[in-house]
Amino acid sequence: QSALTQPASVSGSLGQSITISCTGSSNDAGSYKFVSWYQQLPGKAPKLIIYESTKRPSGVSDRFSGSRSGTSASLIISGLQAEDEANYHCCSYAGTHSVIFGGGTRLTVL
Amino acid sequence: EVQLVQSGAEMKKPGESVKISCEGSGYTFRNFWIGWVRQVPGKGLEWMGIIYPGDSDTKYSPSFEGQVTMSADTSSNTAYLQWQSLKTSDTAMYFCARLYGSQLDSWGQGTLVTVSS
Repeated sequence: QSALTQPASVSGSLGQSITISCTGSSNDAGSYKFVSWYQQLPGKAPKLIIYESTKRPSGVSDRFSGSRSGTSASLIISGLQAEDEANYHCCSYAGTHSVIFGGGTRLTVL
Repeated sequence: EVQLVQSGAEMKKPGESVKISCEGSGYTFRNFWIGWVRQVPGKGLEWMGIIYPGDSDTKYSPSFEGQVTMSADTSSNTAYLQWQSLKTSDTAMYFCARLYGSQLDSWGQGTLVTVSS
């Protein structure tokens, strides 16, 4: 299965909202119920921020939210803050205990 | 608190072998799959494969099948990733992560493997 498609970069101003898309092939459509998103700060390990497309782990800011439609999923970050500047990776569960990652999106906060 | 702690950075020459580790704590290690993820500097995340420590059932991504070996030791709550003959193209950061349901909920801090002559 090929990697999921994300924009290479997005940017937004402090306080604004941004959306990062994650699109797969029609073969992935059935698995889009199980999309997760990870935030990776510079020099750090990825951190789970959204799972099962729309759920947020305990302790993750409610400024982060997720949505799903057809063969795509999206991460929405509202009220952008400077500390949100990071790489964001989407991931789809592919069954048999395996996953597929997107190429990653670099978020710049202006 | 669930924690995964990885071994330190490795610097190797092409053709050498290496084994890196990932020690779990704060949960029943044998009952959860541990995945391995590669990240080449400046690039995205790549799924390498996964192991179930309880019975060492292992599933490799086709891109990594035959290139690496995953193992686990439940007596020390540790998962391992090893190479028999490293290539310069293996230079990357390697992360272990726990699979909880359909997501990777806890990650190790990463182990940098550098392969250079």
